[in-house]
Amino acid sequence: DGGITQSPKYLFRKEGQNVTLSCEQNLNHDAMYWYRQDPGQGLRLIYYSQIVNDFQKGDIAEGYSVSREKKESFPLTVTSAQKNPTAFYLCASSYRGETTEKLFFGSGTQLSVL
Amino acid sequence: GDSVTQMEGPVTLSEEAFLTINCTYTATGYPSLFWYVQYPGEGLQLLLKATKADDKGSNKGFEATYRKETTSFHLEKGSVQVSDSAVYFCALRWAGSYQLTFGKGTKLSVIP
Repeated sequence: DGGITQSPKYLFRKEGQNVTLSCEQNLNHDAMYWYRQDPGQGLRLIYYSQIVNDFQKGDIAEGYSVSREKKESFPLTVTSAQKNPTAFYLCASSYRGETTEKLFFGSGTQLSVL
Repeated sequence: GDSVTQMEGPVTLSEEAFLTINCTYTATGYPSLFWYVQYPGEGLQLLLKATKADDKGSNKGFEATYRKETTSFHLEKGSVQVSDSAVYFCALRWAGSYQLTFGKGTKLSVIP
């Protein structure tokens, strides 16, 4: 079945540590996104990518980095510069050019600071 | 800039009650409007959408009508079930844009 897979489901970060969240899709979608979800805050866009080897900052990119070396993969690194990383992170994808169509979401990764 | 405002939750209803979750948006123009649903521990799923004024989106008994005069897209369901318990997000997106602007979400709990 086609879909988006995020891993791990739970992740713990120590102070000063970088951690990487995985996102893989087999939907043949061109565009991929990372959102951060905090209680009572809704979803905020961190980064998005429309094609391989290209990505743009969203509303809250500081302290995060991404890469898009393959169409299927869009990993997110939470760096030590992100001082408040505890949140639920959601990856999504969509067809390029179909901007009125839906986003497909993964099941999320809960990141917590030890 | 663009924004989406949803009624604050949590909303608690008895089974078979009528549901309304209000959503209004601030934008210059006519974006596409969406309702997404998030079940506990999961990602978001598209519930319904409307791409132009007076369109009605519907799915699984839920409905929402795009009202340009009131810049609203309220979600309604005539008879809720326990399985409808989830967080509901209203969102807007511009044609040609890859970004969705989400509301803060409204948590719905349906009790038997």
